[in-house]
Parts: sequence; C-alpha cells; structure tokens
Amino acid sequence: DVKVTQSSRYLVKRTGEKVFLECVQDMDHENMFWYRQDPGLGLRLIYFSYDVKMKEKGDIPEGYSVSREKKERFSLILESASTNQTSMYLCASSFVQPQHFGDGTRLSIL
Amino acid sequence: KQEVTQIPAALSVPEGENLVLNCSFTDSAIYNLQWFRQDPGKGLTSLLLIQSSQREQTSGRLNASLDKSSGRSTLYIAASQPGDSATYLCAVSEDSSYKLIFGSGTRLLVRP
Repeated sequence: DVKVTQSSRYLVKRTGEKVFLECVQDMDHENMFWYRQDPGLGLRLIYFSYDVKMKEKGDIPEGYSVSREKKERFSLILESASTNQTSMYLCASSFVQPQHFGDGTRLSIL
Repeated sequence: KQEVTQIPAALSVPEGENLVLNCSFTDSAIYNLQWFRQDPGKGLTSLLLIQSSQREQTSGRLNASLDKSSGRSTLYIAASQPGDSATYLCAVSEDSSYKLIFGSGTRLLVRP
C-alpha cells in the first residue's frame, strides 16, 4: 500500500514565523501535491511537483513556496505565516492517477 | 474556468437504503473524474476513477457513472451501512498534468 506521511498532525505557530510542512511518500512517485482545505471552499491546489527540483504553481500559491530536493520528500514553506493561512494542509502523491493522500496537518496561526 | 459542484452538501439516510450522490462540472472537456472518501480529520481515499472515454466504474457496492456531455457524474451506494458515513468528494482532471479540481463534498450520515 502507498504511504504518504505528513510530519505533524497538529501544529500551532505565531504570525510572522517561517513554517515548514513536510511530506514523504514511499512509492517512488514522480508527482507530489500540496492542497489546503477550508470549510465551504473545498480543496485548493497550492503547488505541485512532477520531478525532483521541478515545481509548478497551483491556484493559490501566494505566501507559499515549496522544495523538492529528493523524490520522496516535498516540503511546503510558509515564508511569513499569517492568520489567514490557518487551515488543514493535505499532501498527495501519484505516479499517474489516482492521487494518494496523507492524513493532513491542521495548522493554526495565532 | 472549470467549476465542480456537489449537491446536496449533506445527506442523512437510514441503514440499508440505496443512495445517489451527485457531481456536476461546467466544462465537459475533462481528462478523468474521481470520487474520494474523507473520514473526519483524515486525508482522502480514492474510491473510483473514470476516464473520459468510460461511462462507469464499479467497486463492490459502489458504482460511479459519467456523462461528459451533460457535465454530470453520480456515485451510487447500494445497501448503505453506518460505516459508509463520511464526506464524499468528486474531482475532475482537465489534462495529463493530473491537477485535480475538487467539489466541496457531500457529507453522508447513515443512521443505524
């Protein structure tokens, strides 16, 4: 079975902090994705990566950056956290489709 | 811009009932459509994937249909069980980049 592991289930940070969310997959997938999920807005794509060191912006990249130095690891970075980035963050990976999701990180910015 | 809508937002049914969840999309030029299940506080689990050339897919008590021309998909759940209680999301992919556009989901409660 594919396993996508997100490093934290819950995280509390302060405004202005630089925040790192980590995601690791164990199936040698080329594609990795970061989404955020908010009530009433559904899942929205922040960034995705189709190979090591390759990345593309999704629908809402503002305030975020990503890093993919190794194939199995995809990191989401909040450069200067703000309260409107409080959300559930979901990582996914795929070879083709379907995408396989981690359990999410619930991030609160105070 | 593609938009995906799921109605109703919430549904409550007694155990044993057959039910249909609806998904509509505004642009019929899709690559494929997927149905996912999400349990509270968890990630998404893929249930069924329908390629644009297919009309339906089945897995156990689940059957998903796709009508591209009308921009609709349905997820049929037979003989519902309390363990089916979850949020069901549909998502479309418009090209081979595999980016997904999600609906907001239908929250299903199956009462014992």
